[in-house]
Amino acid sequence: DIQMTQSPSSLSALVGDRVTITCRASQTISRHLNWYQQKGGKAPKLLIYGASYLQSGVPSRFSGSGSGTDFTLTISSLQPEDFATYYCQQSYSTPLTFGGGTRVEI
Amino acid sequence: EVQLVESGGALVQPGGSLRLSCSASGFTFSNYAMSWVRQAPGKGLEWVSGVSSADNNTYYADSVRGRFTISRDNSKNTLYLRMNGLSAEDTAVYYCAKVDYYDGSGLDFDFWGQGTLVTVSS
Repeated sequence: DIQMTQSPSSLSALVGDRVTITCRASQTISRHLNWYQQKGGKAPKLLIYGASYLQSGVPSRFSGSGSGTDFTLTISSLQPEDFATYYCQQSYSTPLTFGGGTRVEI
Repeated sequence: EVQLVESGGALVQPGGSLRLSCSASGFTFSNYAMSWVRQAPGKGLEWVSGVSSADNNTYYADSVRGRFTISRDNSKNTLYLRMNGLSAEDTAVYYCAKVDYYDGSGLDFDFWGQGTLVTVSS
């Protein structure tokens, strides 16, 4: 199974800050990496797919990069509505696996 | 508008069984693979199972293989998860998710239901 490791597990930031979350795969996954946002026990929401493609309707302050084993999610200017938990997920092979999550707090 | 509505979650005793349903609307259900993803209380997301658009290919996490069965009825636009041999470790919110493909082989979960809670306890 491919293990996905996110760092940090939590971070504190201010509105307007640039935030970067990293995700590392235990083996190469090409660009088969997705990012989700989850708020307050609600269903996750797809933000980024294929490592860098912005899902329709997602604000452009979100961006993704990386390939192989190392990936990043960047929020260019943190907004109040961005305080949430973020998960990466690989779709290179089954079982599909998620990272442990990064909680972004005020 | 895509909508996924799960139902069937309940309190069940260890060793018991349960069937979850996910009713889909707003898209051509029969054209898309579907999955179940769960989240234990206070924990992260765990992919549970997936099924191809025509129900001829199914996939499972090791933690549920042999106990859970995913299926779909394209005539009813409904996805199912039959769960047998439940244990406390299966306690979670279960989400159904629509699968979308990109770049020929990548996939993501582009729409999710609101989830249904399964609690396994005596």
